[in-house]
Amino acid sequence: NAGVTQTPKFQVLKTGQSMTLQCAQDMNHEYMSWYRQDPGMGLRLIHYSVGAGITDQGEVPNGYNVSRSTTEDFPLRLLSAAPSQTSVYFCASRRDRGSNQPQHFGDGTRLSIL
Amino acid sequence: AQTVTQSQPEMSVQEAETVTLSCTYDTSESDYYLFWYKQPPSRQMILVIRQEAYKQQNATENRFSVNFQKAAKSFSLKISDSQLGDAAMYFCAPTQGGSEKLVFGKGTKLTVNP
Repeated sequence: NAGVTQTPKFQVLKTGQSMTLQCAQDMNHEYMSWYRQDPGMGLRLIHYSVGAGITDQGEVPNGYNVSRSTTEDFPLRLLSAAPSQTSVYFCASRRDRGSNQPQHFGDGTRLSIL
Repeated sequence: AQTVTQSQPEMSVQEAETVTLSCTYDTSESDYYLFWYKQPPSRQMILVIRQEAYKQQNATENRFSVNFQKAAKSFSLKISDSQLGDAAMYFCAPTQGGSEKLVFGKGTKLTVNP
């Protein structure tokens, strides 16, 4: 099983550019989420989805958009990149809404905004 | 917003010895779950152990165990017989908001000395 796959692994953008971070899981998980990890800050929830067609905001949603058209995919869009969005981004999935289930994480995307 | 406090930014332990990592949190919920995740230098997020708040018995996974004190809102992780491969960042993460979301602490960096 591939688990949770994130692409790209590294990306450098200029301020104002847009891009999409891809996330795909092959475990038929209903719940997917995006986090960002900054030095000394731990992981913070950006957006999450409890199923296809359903998304909601997390702790730090500003500047990011998401959609969930299929169970497998949950892309994260940066509309106009800002230096404050330089971070490591993690996608995670969980089998369903039952929160005793652990989240499975992708390997992360390191994003730098110049 | 819920806060999670890991009061030890860094810890070190001798190989084969025991170490305890602390975590406290605040919540007004009665039903929630708690997780410890490990992040080695490879950046992967790996589940170490989980605990259901309604269970009085502390969770154990091989060399890893927790001391869960619900009234004190404390969830510490004990690593016995420490191994070099245990060196990593460790994150405490209770659930929040009807158990939909994980809230991460800032992490504790564990060094294992040979």
